[in-house]
Amino acid sequence: RKEVEQDPGPFNVPEGATVAFNCTYSNSASQSFFWYRQDCRKEPKLLMSVYSSGNEDGRFTAQLNRASQYISLLIRDSKLSDSATYLCVALKTSYDKVIFGPGTSLSVIP
Amino acid sequence: NAGVTQTPKFQVLKTGQSMTLQCAQDMNHNSMYWYRQDPGMGLRLIYYSASEGTTDKGEVPNGYNVSRLNKREFSLRLESAAPSQTSVYFCATNRGGGQETQYFGPGTRLLVL
Repeated sequence: RKEVEQDPGPFNVPEGATVAFNCTYSNSASQSFFWYRQDCRKEPKLLMSVYSSGNEDGRFTAQLNRASQYISLLIRDSKLSDSATYLCVALKTSYDKVIFGPGTSLSVIP
Repeated sequence: NAGVTQTPKFQVLKTGQSMTLQCAQDMNHNSMYWYRQDPGMGLRLIYYSASEGTTDKGEVPNGYNVSRLNKREFSLRLESAAPSQTSVYFCATNRGGGQETQYFGPGTRLLVL
């Protein structure tokens, strides 16, 4: 089983919709979690870290569910510019090798 | 302050040829990584270096070698390229220790014929 798994999508949603992605991780000892965004033919960039209590950054909300071993990303009021691939990361320790999930593709349609 | 740079940006090789992908960072980061990205496969870790002088295998190390030349530079070598190594290669760095953000280079697009 892969260390980190994601629904590859694609998710095709209209502008203004709310969309949620899940990412499951296999190592129950994982402590640090992140969401990255990757635009077509570009390098990935950090979108947000995921904290135990959940955190919000504008239209984006990240949640952690340790019992079920998944993290989620909720995007409200989707914009065309949100179209990208979203990658998750789960780390056991600060010194752990950084393994990415396969990514979930989002297309926001006018 | 260039961040993470990679050379070359694009390369075409014939099967059996060798080449070295270069990565350099001016962020004074300890950890450096090489990933490959293929359609439908996401980013897969090839090798990483937690600090200068150390390297470790990732998920898909076969067919590759690495050198952590100094704190700034981490190279990836293909000794005998194969068509299965056609991919986009990304170098990344992070500070090491604490909540980590990966900073990526722009990528090298490699085509092996």
